[in-house]
Amino acid sequence: GENVEQHPSTLSVQEGDSAVIKCTYSDSASNYFPWYKQELGKRPQLIIDIRSNVGEKKDQRIAVTLNKTAKHFSLHITETQPEDSAVYFCAASMEAGNMLTFGGGTRLMVKP
Amino acid sequence: EAQVTQNPRYLITVTGKKLTVTCSQNMNHEYMSWYRQDPGLGLRQIYYSMNVEVTDKGDVPEGYKVSRKEKRNFPLILESPSPNQTSLYFCATRQAHLPEAFFGQGTRLTVV
Repeated sequence: GENVEQHPSTLSVQEGDSAVIKCTYSDSASNYFPWYKQELGKRPQLIIDIRSNVGEKKDQRIAVTLNKTAKHFSLHITETQPEDSAVYFCAASMEAGNMLTFGGGTRLMVKP
Repeated sequence: EAQVTQNPRYLITVTGKKLTVTCSQNMNHEYMSWYRQDPGLGLRQIYYSMNVEVTDKGDVPEGYKVSRKEKRNFPLILESPSPNQTSLYFCATRQAHLPEAFFGQGTRLTVV
């Protein structure tokens, strides 16, 4: 089955700096790669996703890049703000298949 | 309002005492799934269901049972809970043709 590795497990940045979280996946059949944000005590919520037919997607301060050949994808957050502090999960799946396989999560701390 | 509702939100129980965590959705989603969240391990799938009366094991099914007698409900059953099942549990749903997963609020279970 699919295996997703996520790094780093914790990331501390200064407000205004950029943050990058990286994930690798094992199943070349996976074609859907979402990112979820989980604030303290809350449920995971989708913040951005990318499908394998595109290499990059951007939504305001967040962007995701995908390298299908290397089987890795990354989340980029620019101009970080304290409210970006949360746990971020990457995931992979086949759109028409099962549910998602998640990475281990990254705890992002943005210091004011 | 579209919702995925889990009950209870918090539960402390003793080893061996059978319990059920309920999950109900009003979005008419075909797919439902249970995950457990543990520090450093991300979200791991326990069981999933692609339709009524169709269930399959995920990555960590040992010690759990599920049923899908009707589309909206997908209860998670622990016949004989053990301390290693202490965790945060999430139910998630999605449509068959769209990959985005929607999570319930979570159930924090402690087995002593």
